[in-house]
Amino acid sequence: DVKVTQSSRYLVKRTGEKVFLECVQDMDHENMFWYRQDPGLGLRLIYFSYDVKMKEKGDIPEGYSVSREKKERFSLILESASTNQTSMYLCASSSRQGVGEQYFGPGTRLTVT
Amino acid sequence: GESVGLHLPTLSVQEGDNSIINCAYSNSASDYFIWYKQESGKGPQFIIDIRSNMDKRQGQRVTVLLNKTVKHLSLQIAATQPGDSAVYFCAEKAKGYSSASKIIFGSGTRLSIRP
Repeated sequence: DVKVTQSSRYLVKRTGEKVFLECVQDMDHENMFWYRQDPGLGLRLIYFSYDVKMKEKGDIPEGYSVSREKKERFSLILESASTNQTSMYLCASSSRQGVGEQYFGPGTRLTVT
Repeated sequence: GESVGLHLPTLSVQEGDNSIINCAYSNSASDYFIWYKQESGKGPQFIIDIRSNMDKRQGQRVTVLLNKTVKHLSLQIAATQPGDSAVYFCAEKAKGYSSASKIIFGSGTRLSIRP
């Protein structure tokens, strides 16, 4: 069974803290994605990666960075967390050809106080 | 789940009836469309996809219809069951993007089932 795991289900951080969200997939997928999900806004793409050490900005990259040192792991970094980054963060992966068929992790609910 | 303050289109259907969830898209360059299902507390799950050279595709109890003339996509669920309760998202990918490029998700429709 395919699996995408995220390091935490719930996280509470203070304004200004550096936050790391980790995502691991076991499907040997080339593509990995980070989204945030907010009420009524659907899923918005923050960053994606199509290969190790490669990354591209999505629709809302400001305030975020990413790291992909290994194929199975994609990290989202909030350099200095702010309250407007309180959200549900979803990681996904897909094969190179199957960009539309993405496999999602369970999400991390981040609260910044 | 995370429904506090959530303002989604909603659809309420009697158990056993068919459900039709609609989605409009604006980019005429989109050539690939996908439906996802998100149950409470979980990440979205792929249901079915369709390419722009088709107008209908069927899966197990689900059918996706694509009308390119009016830029409309629908998901039909036959004999709706309690397990179908979820938020359903349509998504699109524009032609010309690389295979690794992004897809764009709609805001979702919440389907609830009446017993």
